[in-house]
Amino acid sequence: QKEVEQNSGPLSVPEGAIASLNCTYSDRVSQSFFWYRQYSGKSPELIMSIYSNGDKEDGRFTAQLNKASQYVSLLIRDSQPSDSATYLCAVKDQAGTALIFGKGTTLSVSS
Amino acid sequence: GAVVSQHPSRVICKSGTSVKIECRSLDFQATTMFWYRQFPKQSLMLMATSNEGSKATYEQGVEKDKFLINHASLTLSTLTVTSAHPEDSSFYICSARGFQNEQFFGPGTRLTVL
Repeated sequence: QKEVEQNSGPLSVPEGAIASLNCTYSDRVSQSFFWYRQYSGKSPELIMSIYSNGDKEDGRFTAQLNKASQYVSLLIRDSQPSDSATYLCAVKDQAGTALIFGKGTTLSVSS
Repeated sequence: GAVVSQHPSRVICKSGTSVKIECRSLDFQATTMFWYRQFPKQSLMLMATSNEGSKATYEQGVEKDKFLINHASLTLSTLTVTSAHPEDSSFYICSARGFQNEQFFGPGTRLTVL
């Protein structure tokens, strides 16, 4: 059974701080990794994708991937109240076409 | 780019009726679309994978005769919930697979069965 694990939170950070979201996955052959943001009552929105080990930066967001440790993370710098949402980690393996989602981490940024 | 639409956004129906939900990729062609269901405070649950021109692949535990999927073109997939019951009330979300295997989600359809 392929699994994606996330701490459900809530993760609370003050405005302007760095929020760190973590995700582990069980399938060693996983190839593609994605972070989605989901506001309450809305559908998920793609934030970042990462395919190779290391860091990938896009604006205030940095995704980090360590395939040896089967670990992927998302850092949000200068967190804003508008970043308050549930963040879903998703993993795709080499053979499959569907993404496997974690249960999500709820982030709360206080002003 | 990569916009996916869903229609309707919200539907209320009586128990025993059928409801059709449309999912369209507006600015790209999607040979593969996915249908998810999400109950309150829970994660997305993949229901089925829809491939253009072929039968959908259903996840274990999802009744294919109850949740009919048709992917008739490269930009349209439909999900029909047949003989809906209150326990089918949920948030149904489709997604379309992009060029780099990322998935772009539609805005979702909130189904309430009375």
